[in-house]
Amino acid sequence: GAGVSQSPSNKVTEKGKDVELRCDPISGHTALYWYRQSLGQGLEFLIYFQGNSAPDKSGLPSDRFSAERTGGSVSTLTIQRTQQEDSAVYLCASSFDSNYGYTFGSGTRLTVV
Amino acid sequence: AQSVTQLGSHVSVSEGALVLLRCNYSSSVPPYLFWYVQYPNQGLQLLLKYTSAATLVKGINGFEAEFKKSETSFHLTKPSAHMSDAAEYFCAVSDLSNFGNEKLTFGTGTRLTIIP
Repeated sequence: GAGVSQSPSNKVTEKGKDVELRCDPISGHTALYWYRQSLGQGLEFLIYFQGNSAPDKSGLPSDRFSAERTGGSVSTLTIQRTQQEDSAVYLCASSFDSNYGYTFGSGTRLTVV
Repeated sequence: AQSVTQLGSHVSVSEGALVLLRCNYSSSVPPYLFWYVQYPNQGLQLLLKYTSAATLVKGINGFEAEFKKSETSFHLTKPSAHMSDAAEYFCAVSDLSNFGNEKLTFGTGTRLTIIP
């Protein structure tokens, strides 16, 4: 597609449930990033995929968070046993060469009630 | 590790006035620097980037930024504010020394309000 596509755009879930957030990057972009944006906060790095290399998971806040990227394209961010503090906008970005900037998706707004 | 500090979480300017959004960075190596804009309920859009070429960088929508190594700054300016400039602006730095993992580190953002 022409841009980075994220789905769903909004998700409301009950505390304790698992959620999956999807990111479809721009075709040909080898790098894919997940960030989290909480109310009044900056962007918090979560995880980074580059080609076939092992992902950089250093930003994942707990072992309830995981992500995968299948076939070097679509990525899924999974949050298990969601907590209220997980409520945030989850942004995905992709890049052919990250030193020239990312292209961001519109994000998934997650609300845990 | 690199970091970015944005001075002023909220900035208000009158329509037609100068816009100045401040960003200072910390990096042990020459950085790449970026400004992104986020309009309500949208993702982030790249405004401009500095990648070690010209120190004065021009971006979209009439914005520009100047890289000043001596001041470790990369402030964003626009000569005349327009109502459509109301948004949140993020400064970001990329760590060139971490080849293969060029993730961006973002500032906490500055919300720009334009007063009619």
